[in-house]
Amino acid sequence: EAGVTQFPSHSVIEKGQTVTLRCDPISGHDNLYWYRRVMGKEIKFLLHFVKESKQDESGMPNNRFLAERTGGTYSTLKVQPAELEDSGVYFCASSPWTGGGVYGYTFGSGTRLTVV
Amino acid sequence: AQKVTQAQTEISVVEKEDVTLDCVYETRDTTYYLFWYKQPPSGELVFLIRRNSFDEQNEISGRYSWNFQKSTSSFNFTITASQVVDSAVYFCALRGNNNDMRFGAGTRLTVKP
Repeated sequence: EAGVTQFPSHSVIEKGQTVTLRCDPISGHDNLYWYRRVMGKEIKFLLHFVKESKQDESGMPNNRFLAERTGGTYSTLKVQPAELEDSGVYFCASSPWTGGGVYGYTFGSGTRLTVV
Repeated sequence: AQKVTQAQTEISVVEKEDVTLDCVYETRDTTYYLFWYKQPPSGELVFLIRRNSFDEQNEISGRYSWNFQKSTSSFNFTITASQVVDSAVYFCALRGNNNDMRFGAGTRLTVKP
């Protein structure tokens, strides 16, 4: 089966511009997660979709970040306007539905965002 | 609150040495899952192991072994006879009842030939 696909793999934008990251989860995976790692720090949770609904968006840093998952398939994460501190690697992960947290996630390769 | 601490930021060893990566966690959940992921230079996160809170048996997979000690809230990872290809950043993670995963800051392992 195809894995989790993220694109672009790299993005360099200027401060104040808008960037949209995309994640295609594994087909049939209801759970979709966004994570971010800024340089040298832990991978931090941003938000969690179950199908098209936001289950938990407690990790979203501020209202410059907007995530959507229309139709419960792929998801986009838009940063508008981008700031320097938004630079980092954005990971997407998906997992099948489970009530017990049994499954680990399958991660994408990440999008490396650099804001200059 | 859930928290994962990987106190070792960077470790450097010479090939064939054994190396242990430490992971300490905090959670109030009685049921939880612990994971290790590897991030090679190519960037993707590769799943290595999952352990649930009711299973304290240690596990060995080839050169990899994991020591889960509930009494000390630790889930350490040992690589035996390390190889250059083991060079990567390794992340420990915890997933509790709320179905979301918390990661440690990662340990960068460099294995020199």
